[in-house]
Amino acid sequence: SQQGEEDPQALSIQEGENATMNCSYKTSINNLQWYRQNSGRGLVHLILIRSNEREKHSGRLRVTLDTSKKSSSLLITASRAADTASYFCATDGGFGNEKLTFGTGTRLTIIP
Amino acid sequence: GAGVSQSPSNKVTEKGKDVELRCDPISGHTALYWYRQRLGQGLEFLIYFQGNSAPDKSGLPSDRFSAERTGESVSTLTIQRTQQEDSAVYLCASSLVAPYGYTFGSGTRLTVV
Repeated sequence: SQQGEEDPQALSIQEGENATMNCSYKTSINNLQWYRQNSGRGLVHLILIRSNEREKHSGRLRVTLDTSKKSSSLLITASRAADTASYFCATDGGFGNEKLTFGTGTRLTIIP
Repeated sequence: GAGVSQSPSNKVTEKGKDVELRCDPISGHTALYWYRQRLGQGLEFLIYFQGNSAPDKSGLPSDRFSAERTGESVSTLTIQRTQQEDSAVYLCASSLVAPYGYTFGSGTRLTVV
């Protein structure tokens, strides 16, 4: 079963707007990561947030983590056409349980 | 090499045939993972290798699936007696220190006809 579930499943916005995607998970985690996938092939790591962190920034990306609600959000500000991709969250359970468990993904389309 | 290399990039096979997929991780990366991604879906964990430790095979869907890795080098994923439901993109990723800094290959798209 999927550890993470993203919503919405698909999102279309105008270029320049902000895009927000959410991820929920079921079990305790050590880290939560966000990845981007273009054209159904290899994934690219975007950002990692540890379980003891609440917010993290990287360029136009902002990630929040609420461990009490077992949820995370990814905000992309000032979206660009090149941001069109699928976005996945992934969690791991820490030492002894390092495998990443991925969610089902959000398909983001930026309309020029 | 500079990245994770997977071969072949595409494979079409007849139902019932065996296939072997290859993954060359980044040199020095001790952790290697295989995932399966069906069309329009998320990544499904298959198997995880960490150094010389026994692999975590908990994600392999049936005994038709097996994988090997010698040391910290190349890994092969073998699917015996392929079925149509095996059609998917098979992704390999490696990491210097799990679970950080995964680098993914471009995947092998397997089509069973």
